[in-house]
Amino acid sequence: DIQMTQSPSSLSASAGDRVIITCRASQNIRTYLNWYQQRPGKAPSLLISDASTLQNGVPSRFTGSGSGTDFTLTISNLQPEDLATYYCQQSYNTASTFGRGTRLQIK
Amino acid sequence: QVHLAQSGAEVKKPGASVKVSCKASGYIFTTYGISWVRQAPGQGLEWMGWISGYNGNTNYAQKFQDRVIMTIDTSTNTAYMEVRSLRSDETAIYYCARSGPSEDYGDTFDYWGQGTLVTVSS
Repeated sequence: DIQMTQSPSSLSASAGDRVIITCRASQNIRTYLNWYQQRPGKAPSLLISDASTLQNGVPSRFTGSGSGTDFTLTISNLQPEDLATYYCQQSYNTASTFGRGTRLQIK
Repeated sequence: QVHLAQSGAEVKKPGASVKVSCKASGYIFTTYGISWVRQAPGQGLEWMGWISGYNGNTNYAQKFQDRVIMTIDTSTNTAYMEVRSLRSDETAIYYCARSGPSEDYGDTFDYWGQGTLVTVSS
């Protein structure tokens, strides 16, 4: 299975800040990388697909980049509603795997 | 609009089986697949497998191949997942998620059910 390593595992930032979450794949997955947001007590929701394609309704403050093995999720102008855990997931092969998540707290 | 409605919470004893349902609406059921993902308390997401909404073909994660059965009912646009021989460490929220139509490609989970809490306890 392809291993997905996220960092950091948690971070705290203030409203208006920019935060960067990284995700590394154990092998080349081209741009088959998705990002999900899971707010407390809720189901995950798709934020970004194919490394950089923002889903409908997702604020443009969220951007994804990367290819190959290294990917980033950047959240600019952090808002209180961004309090959540963020997961990366590879869709390169049929055995989907997720990163362990990054818990984002708002100061 | 796309909606996946899952069945309610379950409490099971170790060794028992549980069957969770996922009723889809707002799209053509047979043109997508359904994946199942679970999340233990305070833990991350674990993909369990995929089923075609067209023909019921399945692709299970290796660790679940012997104990999980996924089925569909196209007359009611409902997907089911049965987990047999439950263990106490399998207490988790089980999610269904809309996925791609083919077993040959990786999946993006664009819509999710609300989750079903399965508690395994003696």
